[in-house]
Amino acid sequence: SQQGEEDPQALSIQEGENATMNCSYKTSINNLQWYRQNSGRGLVHLILIRSNEREKHSGRLRVTLDTSKKSSSLLITASRAADTASYFCATDARNTDKLIFGTGTRLQVFP
Amino acid sequence: ETGVTQTPRHLVMGMTNKKSLKCEQHLGHNAMYWYKQSAKKPLELMFVYNFKEQTENNSVPSRFSPECPNSSHLFLHLHTLQPEDSALYLCASSQDTGREKHYISYEQYFGPGTRLTVT
Repeated sequence: SQQGEEDPQALSIQEGENATMNCSYKTSINNLQWYRQNSGRGLVHLILIRSNEREKHSGRLRVTLDTSKKSSSLLITASRAADTASYFCATDARNTDKLIFGTGTRLQVFP
Repeated sequence: ETGVTQTPRHLVMGMTNKKSLKCEQHLGHNAMYWYKQSAKKPLELMFVYNFKEQTENNSVPSRFSPECPNSSHLFLHLHTLQPEDSALYLCASSQDTGREKHYISYEQYFGPGTRLTVT
């Protein structure tokens, strides 16, 4: 089944450093979304990138999409302790409206 | 987070109990979703409702019964659950499911979840 898989599973960095998370998927998509989840809480939408887009920015977030490699990356620049959370990519296959979530990357930012 | 609310936030129930989870969205959305999140597993889609009609049942056991009386409210009725059903149950809503517009996806807004423990 189609599934986004994030890499790495866990990432620990110091405040001020950049954090990069990657997502790979298996089939053609309409678009790809990134979500964030604080421990035991609901997910918060961060950014949506369409299949015909290659890069998108939102504040300190930068998302890239390479449909030829079926992969996406999320870059958080100048990280803060408050960025500590799990980050998920979610994809929707063509001709479906279901979002398929990956297993997530747990990001820990130390002050 | 106040756009989508879920009650209760925590629930402990025995295997013979019957309980219901409630979700309410104040965003004027047409689509609502139930997800199950278990430890170390991807978020699993359970049910999708669009304009109060169920459009997706992702092979969920019949001990989980959804109900969508209107576009703002979604329930998940639980009965004779198993310990492996213990998980965080998340409700989400979106403007639409995208099915009517050539599968353009919409961002989903999630509630805080109900932490369910089945004993």
